[in-house]
Amino acid sequence: DTGVSQNPRHKITKRGQNVTFRCDPISEHNRLYWYRQTLGQGPEFLTYFQNEAQLEKSRLLSDRFSAERPKGSFSTLEIQRTEQGDSAMYLCASSLDADSSPLHFGNGTRLTVT
Amino acid sequence: DAKTTQPNSMESNEEEPVHLPCNHSTISGTDYIHWYRQLPSQGPEYVIHGLTSNVNNRMASLAIAEDRKSSTLILHRATLRDAAVYYCILNTDKLIFGTGTRLQVFP
Repeated sequence: DTGVSQNPRHKITKRGQNVTFRCDPISEHNRLYWYRQTLGQGPEFLTYFQNEAQLEKSRLLSDRFSAERPKGSFSTLEIQRTEQGDSAMYLCASSLDADSSPLHFGNGTRLTVT
Repeated sequence: DAKTTQPNSMESNEEEPVHLPCNHSTISGTDYIHWYRQLPSQGPEYVIHGLTSNVNNRMASLAIAEDRKSSTLILHRATLRDAAVYYCILNTDKLIFGTGTRLQVFP
């Protein structure tokens, strides 16, 4: 399968703990996006990379959130000092380097903060 | 970012055509119109996109109004597997999702 891969699929953590998610995009895709989705809502944009450069961050991305894409390939999203409000599905997507290029999404990491 | 307006839900019977409308009256000249769908427990899936002309692919057709202020996603023969939330999105360098249209398909 050469699609976007996200790990883990599920993560349960206690409030206050740190968590890290990984996304492996489609290999030739330069752009990588992170979204968050809560029940009944559409995905909310968090941030995106073009190669290793983080080009935009949403105001939703508080200081407790950090994303990296160190070599322009896989990406990690870390949440520090998790809160119950962080419980959501975290989606990663990748695309070619053009504004009209379709995004290819992974199946997400579901985070539950207890 | 320009916004889109879609009905919250629609229903269809299996094997019938489905027309999913989307209004985007504030669209700019460079905004592409994208459609994605999301099945339960999965990430969104690309369906189709266009700029000015109508577009067809193996999944659907996209009809774009001449003034580009609205568009319609057409599923020619709905199947049970087409039951999903359909999102109409105007794309620049990123996608901003709304709440979409939940399509129910009845056998």
